Amino acid sequence: NAGVTQTPKFQVLKTGQSMTLQCAQDMNHEYMSWYRQDPGMGLRLIHYSVGAGITDQGEVPNGYNVSRSTTEDFPLRLLSAAPSQTSVYFCASALGVYYGYTFGSGTRLTVV
Amino acid sequence: AQSVTQLDSQVPVFEEAPVELRCNYSSSVSVYLFWYVQYPNQGLQLLLKYLSGSTLVKGINGFEAEFNKSQTSFHLRKPSVHISDTAEYFCAARLNTGNQFYFGTGTSLTVIP
Repeated sequence: NAGVTQTPKFQVLKTGQSMTLQCAQDMNHEYMSWYRQDPGMGLRLIHYSVGAGITDQGEVPNGYNVSRSTTEDFPLRLLSAAPSQTSVYFCASALGVYYGYTFGSGTRLTVV
Repeated sequence: AQSVTQLDSQVPVFEEAPVELRCNYSSSVSVYLFWYVQYPNQGLQLLLKYLSGSTLVKGINGFEAEFNKSQTSFHLRKPSVHISDTAEYFCAARLNTGNQFYFGTGTSLTVIP
């Protein structure tokens, strides 16, 4: 089992560029989420999904889009990158509401 | 609104000493509570969780936590820490009626030789 796989690990973008952060899990987990981690602010939820075709907004959804066409994949799209989106992004998945999340290793994004 | 508060941003402790990392949550409904550990440049790993039942929960690496409903707390403890415990620790809560996890801001534990 690979667990939760995130790509790329590092990315530098120019302001205004768009890109997609990839997330895939091979554990048949229904729940998937995207978080951003910033110093002193912990992890903040961007978007989450409770199954294929179902997504919802978290605490900080502005500037990001998601889709969940399959159980395995949950990509995060940055529509027009801004320096405020410089952060470490984590994708996580869980079997269900009683289970903790399994986290990917993160994507460190810098927007210049 | 649901929130999780970790009262200490940094906790230094000497090797083999006990440690307690504090976590409080605010919620008017039942919650599921979790502790995660993050080693440098890695993702988060689940240490332990409380869903219901016994208020003392044991996790991996010798950690345990106690759920206290009256004080709305879920403090993490270890009786004797090792150098390898140096990491960032996050408390998280999930309402039993919702799908969102709420994380605290983290506590950086530094074990001093």
